[in-house]
Amino acid sequence: QVQLQESGPGLVKPSQTLSLTCTVSGGSISSGSYYWSWIRQPAGKGLEWIGRIYTSGSTNYNPSLKSRVTISVDTSKNQFSLKLSSVTAADTAVYYCASGYYYDSSGHQPYPYWGQGTLVTVSS
Amino acid sequence: AIWMTQSPSLLSASTGDRVTISCRMSQGISSYLAWYQQKPGKAPELLIYAASTLQSGVPSRFSGSGSGTDFTLTISCLQSEDFATYYCQQYYSFPYTFGQGTKLEIK
Repeated sequence: QVQLQESGPGLVKPSQTLSLTCTVSGGSISSGSYYWSWIRQPAGKGLEWIGRIYTSGSTNYNPSLKSRVTISVDTSKNQFSLKLSSVTAADTAVYYCASGYYYDSSGHQPYPYWGQGTLVTVSS
Repeated sequence: AIWMTQSPSLLSASTGDRVTISCRMSQGISSYLAWYQQKPGKAPELLIYAASTLQSGVPSRFSGSGSGTDFTLTISCLQSEDFATYYCQQYYSFPYTFGQGTKLEIK
């Protein structure tokens, strides 16, 4: 059973870079068929998909954030990370790491595994 | 991006009721649709994927149907632990998108 745990600063100043790490346990991040993703949720609002990475390093990003987002993987630490640059108050949200495996040739997947989420507040 | 219209946004029901939540896509997504349940302060939990496949461990009172553009989540015989917010999600194309959510509250 894959388990995920987010970590990182809970407070980031405007215009700075938000950095979060997700530690994977119960399985190897190098396992085939799994994708590793970030999803966020502003308080009282819905869910927004940020992007995903495969163990090979291949990424897909939400176009609305693409110019500011980098997702990377560190197989030696069994972790993957999110960097979001030039943050504003609109980036204040609970950030979740999530993962899932593709079950057909499409390469797309739902999310059976989620971290508990971490609140990141953008404020000076 | 694929837009999703989830309805209703708020649903009042009683324990034992049967309820349905709808999700309509702006374009066809075959069966690449998932349903999640989220309780306050918790991460979403996957209930159904591939439009109608029950995730392991999810009670059989949850069911999903549909394909193409119109999908439905049905909860038969509501239990107290089912009062929560429900989201649909398409994973047919990038960016993956979620519905606006349906809050299921006790009548």
